[in-house]
Amino acid sequence: GQQVMQIPQYQHVQEGEDFTTYCNSSTTLSNIQWYKQRPGGHPVFLIQLVKSGEVKKQKRLTFQFGEAKKNSSLHITATQTTDVGTYFCAGKDGGSQGNLIFGKGTKLSVKP
Amino acid sequence: GAGVSQSPRYKVAKRGQDVALRCDPISGHVSLFWYQQALGQGPEFLTYFQNEAQLDKSGLPSDRFFAERPEGSVSTLKIQRTQQEDSAVYLCASSRGTGSNEKLFFGSGTQLSVL
Repeated sequence: GQQVMQIPQYQHVQEGEDFTTYCNSSTTLSNIQWYKQRPGGHPVFLIQLVKSGEVKKQKRLTFQFGEAKKNSSLHITATQTTDVGTYFCAGKDGGSQGNLIFGKGTKLSVKP
Repeated sequence: GAGVSQSPRYKVAKRGQDVALRCDPISGHVSLFWYQQALGQGPEFLTYFQNEAQLDKSGLPSDRFFAERPEGSVSTLKIQRTQQEDSAVYLCASSRGTGSNEKLFFGSGTQLSVL
């Protein structure tokens, strides 16, 4: 079945450093979504990418979707303590009924 | 409602006990999903409803797990004869439509602890 893998599992950074998490799917995806889960909270939608090679920005966050639509990345520039949390990618392959398959997430901690 | 509401927030069950977890999606949302999230892991898909129809239950781990959404709004996830490995956070999510580009709105989850 479809698998979505994320690396790294954990990332510890000093405030102001950059951070990147990578997501890879075993199958071609129709789209990919990114969610953020704060400690003790629930996943909250950040963004969706649909087109091959698509790049989207949200302030200090940059999201990319690979040309083959099998991988994606999230890059945060100049991390802040408010960026702390776990970032999940979630993909939907072209043949699935509608359920998103989530990666295991990258847990980001930011030292002030 | 303003968001997806789940109850109870916490549930402690003795092994072998039956539990029922409730999800109240955003009003008018057609699609409803149940996910299981173990500690330190990503949400794992359990089942999907489109209105009252359960279109995908491929993620339910055993026949002890049962979900329903009889009137196309509130959903209940029932776990019979709970076991320790059922301990996890159970997340419910809803989306407005049925298309592949719909974003999910999650509830706060029910944390189930089976002793």
